[in-house]
Formats: sequence, structure tokens, C-alpha cells
Amino acid sequence: SQKIEQNSEALNIQEGKTATLTCNYTNYSPAYLQWYRQDPGRGPVFLLLIRENEKEKRKERLKVTFDTTLKQSLFHITASQPADSATYLCAPPSGNTGKLIFGQGTTLQVKP
Amino acid sequence: GAGVSQSPRYKVAKRGQDVALRCDPISGHVSLFWYQQALGQGPEFLTYFQNEAQLDKSGLPSDRFFAERPEGSVSTLKIQRTQQEDSAVYLCASSSYRVYEQYFGPGTRLTVT
Repeated sequence: SQKIEQNSEALNIQEGKTATLTCNYTNYSPAYLQWYRQDPGRGPVFLLLIRENEKEKRKERLKVTFDTTLKQSLFHITASQPADSATYLCAPPSGNTGKLIFGQGTTLQVKP
Repeated sequence: GAGVSQSPRYKVAKRGQDVALRCDPISGHVSLFWYQQALGQGPEFLTYFQNEAQLDKSGLPSDRFFAERPEGSVSTLKIQRTQQEDSAVYLCASSSYRVYEQYFGPGTRLTVT
């Protein structure tokens, strides 16, 4: 079955450093992949979408890569800030309805 | 404009009770999804509507779960005879037709005692 794996351990980094989060998928080849941010007690918020023919996508301090050979996406936050502290979810689609298969999420803690 | 809203935000039910969870999607959004999120996990797909048609209900865990969207806007997720394992956050998301990003509501936290 389709499986999405993210670092289950929390990632703790110092303010100003670059955070790198990993998402690996197995048993299928999604045409695109999305990243969401989730704060405690709130629903996920869309951040970025990257398609299979795009190697890299950027938005402000965020950068996502998509390696279809390794079946992996990396999510980078440069010049991290305490306000970036949240859980980040990787979500490729499944089927043709657009439903998303989420990883378990990686919690990022940025310390001042 | 207004985002996706859900009500109630919190619901406590005794085991065996029926519950109804409401989702108001963004106006004009054709697609509506329901997800279930257990503590410390990512959301898991339950069901999908395109307008009023329920096109995918493959994620509903049992026949105690039922969802509807009769007029293609507001949706209700109903759980009959609730069990403790139904305790979770239920998230609703909507999106425009052929637009991939989904807009999520704040969720309803259901606790079954």
C-alpha cells in the first residue's frame, strides 16, 4: 500500500539556521506533492506544491525539492524563526480525486 | 473572505451516542474532503464530495460513519453508536475544482467516554 514517511522525531534548531525536513514515499509515484503546516489546535495550512517535473520550488524562505528517483521530497526553511515552530506535513495525492495521503508530520522547534 | 468553518469545535459523547459534525466550506468550492486525525498522527482520508455527489467513501472506517452534502455546500459527518476508538479530530477541507491545494477548517475534537 502507499506509504508516506516523515521524521517522527522532533527537529530542534537554533534561530537563523536552516531546517531540513524529509518525506519519503513508497509503492507509488505521485504526480505532485504538497507540504502543509499545522499549529496545535488548528487545521493544516497549505504551503507549497511541487510537481513531478519540477526539481525545486521556492516561496520566500521556503524551498521544496522532489526527487522521483529517490522517492523523496525535502522541505527547507532558511533563516528559521521561532514563529516557524509547528508541525509540517508532507501530502502527496492518491487517485484522481485529489484526496491526500499525509505523513505523520515532523514537529519543528526553533529556539531563539 | 471566510474560511472553512466547523461546528462544534469540541464534542464529548458517551459511548453509544450518535453525533453529527458540521462543515461549512468556502463558498463556491466544489470539492469537499473529510479527514480523521488521531493524536500525533497526520490526517487520514475519510470521504470526498464533488458538489453533492459522494465520489469516494473508501476511508470511512465502518458503516457507523455516514456523510452527506445534499445541496453541494454544507456537509455533515454523522457517527452512529460512537465507540472510544472514534475519539479523534475530524477535519474538513474544501478546494476549487481542479485546484489541488486544500483549505482546512479548525476541526472538531470528538471525545468518546
